[in-house]
Amino acid sequence: DADVTQTPRNRITKTGKRIMLECSQTKGHDRMYWYRQDPGLGLRLIYYSFDVKDINKGEISDGYSVSRQAQAKFSLSLESAIPNQTALYFCATSDPLNTEAFFGQGTRLTVV
Amino acid sequence: GEDVEQSLFLSVREGDSSVINCTYTDSSSTYLYWYKQEPGAGLQLLTYIFSNMDMKQDQRLTVLLNKKDKHLSLRIADTQTGDSAIYFCAENPNTGNQFYFGTGTSLTVIP
Repeated sequence: DADVTQTPRNRITKTGKRIMLECSQTKGHDRMYWYRQDPGLGLRLIYYSFDVKDINKGEISDGYSVSRQAQAKFSLSLESAIPNQTALYFCATSDPLNTEAFFGQGTRLTVV
Repeated sequence: GEDVEQSLFLSVREGDSSVINCTYTDSSSTYLYWYKQEPGAGLQLLTYIFSNMDMKQDQRLTVLLNKKDKHLSLRIADTQTGDSAIYFCAENPNTGNQFYFGTGTSLTVIP
């Protein structure tokens, strides 16, 4: 089983719809992250959480919200999706020393 | 935020060496990383180097770090078609809040 599992893997949604992307991890780490990947822009941080009660905005949090339901679960929501949120979204978790970030397989989201 | 820069594309012939370059901005970073992303997959850690090291070698991979110039490189010896992927450089400043990734270099290996 994968260390970090994202669902769904692919999603097409309409402008204005609410959508949730889910992430669960089995590494037992407290730190979790949501990134989006766009061609030529690399990965940009949306939100991060260092424990269940800790939520922090990243570089591009506008239009997104998150929920840390448990140590192992961190979900990302788009309250009202817009086309420029079309991207590949990655969830990750890391150990406290940040020696490595473990990534999910990604969710490809298309907003039409 | 931090600025991690890489060139976007690199093409090499199978069997040649590949060198992927990266510049970063935060000299306080404890670790610097190279990640590989194969098509349709997430990122996987290839290797990382401590900031107090100049070089790290792991089989076909050699990482060189020039702290003065804030320059990191990844050399892949005897490049194979299976090495075709996007390679991301990343840093993690001592604030420890997040990993900062470069734009990624798309490596194409020509048979």
